[in-house]
Order: sequence, then C-alpha cells, then structure tokens
Amino acid sequence: GAVVSQHPSRVICKSGTSVKIECRSLDFQATTMFWYRQFPKQSLMLMATSNEGSKATYEQGVEKDKFLINHASLTLSTLTVTSAHPEDSSFYICSARDDWVSYEQYFGPGTRLTVT
Amino acid sequence: KNEVEQSPQNLTAQEGEFITINCSYSVGISALHWLQQHPGGGIVSLFMLSSGKKKHGRLIATINIQEKHSSLHITASHPRDSAVYICAEMDSNYQLIWGAGTKLIIKP
Repeated sequence: GAVVSQHPSRVICKSGTSVKIECRSLDFQATTMFWYRQFPKQSLMLMATSNEGSKATYEQGVEKDKFLINHASLTLSTLTVTSAHPEDSSFYICSARDDWVSYEQYFGPGTRLTVT
Repeated sequence: KNEVEQSPQNLTAQEGEFITINCSYSVGISALHWLQQHPGGGIVSLFMLSSGKKKHGRLIATINIQEKHSSLHITASHPRDSAVYICAEMDSNYQLIWGAGTKLIIKP
C-alpha cells in the first residue's frame, strides 16, 4: 500500500522557536495533503488542506501565520509551527492522496510536538 | 450537518471473541473509511468502502448505504488488535468527517 512518512516523530522545542515537520509520500504522487492535529483522547482535527503548487486552505480558527504549510512538490509537504508556545504541544498527523487514482487518504505516523 | 457516531465508545473483550464496532452517519457520502490508531499514535487506513463488504485477513467491513450504517468486525480477536478504531465519512467535497473512535482492548 501507499506509504507516507513524517519527520521527526518526536520533537521538543523551547517557547518562541519554530519547528518544521515534514510529510513525504514515498511511493506515490500526493496531489493533495492534509494536516491534522490531535489532542489527547480526542478525534483528529483538520488544520489545513494543501494542493501541490498552491496555497494551503486553512480550516476556520487555524492561524495561517502560525502554522505555515508548504506543498512545493508532489511528494513533500511541510508544516512549520512558528513562535511555538506550550499550547501548541500536540500530535500532528499528515495524510496524502493521489486524486488522479482515488480519494483514499494515507496517513503518516504522526509527530509529537512538545513545547517547553 | 454531517455527523458520524460510533458505538461503543469503549470495548473490552477476551482474546478470540468476535468484535463488532458500529458507525452511523447522517448524510449521503462518497465513501467511508475505517482506520486504526495504535497507542503510539500512528494511523493505518484499514478500509475505504462505498458499498457492500470488504475483507482483509481477520477484518471485515460492511456498509449499508440506505441505512447510513457501517460495521467493522474482527474475527478471532487478539491482544495486538487493541487500538482505537475510527470511522470517518468522506463527504461530497472528499473531506473526512471523523467519528470519535472506539477504544478496543483485547485481553489475553
């Protein structure tokens, strides 16, 4: 099946710094990538949808200047949490799909961010 | 408003038992996903189906479009099946609307 990787799997950073999380589709072209956030014992919350080569579409309530998303190629999307604060600590998951093949989403393993 | 409801929220069973997790949704959908999330957090897509039934190993997923209902079954359950199982409907915009998840614990 299609494989999506995320890097890093865990990151600890200090308040005020920026953190970049990478999401890669390893064996398919990801025309659309999604970024989710998950708080403990809660469902995934969609943060934004990105299509290769265009600006991401953010969900209501998600600050686009704080969560910068770049989908520069068909295999890579990045999420940068800028000026991180402790409340940004969360589990971030990306997913990807190839809209030319199907609308099934394939999920990355997630990145646990802790801001101290 | 699209809503996805799962039941039960929590399920504990003995190894070998037949497991059923249910999912109901409120509006017409393009397809429905069943996903598995292990304690480490990673999500695995188990099935995407829009009609009928799919089987993969000990897992079976069924969907009834008229009743807006889907079930995930696990036969001969094993402790390694312990995870959170999530159903998510794909709406007409091909976005996922998530259920709250069912936490399954299989005891040896």
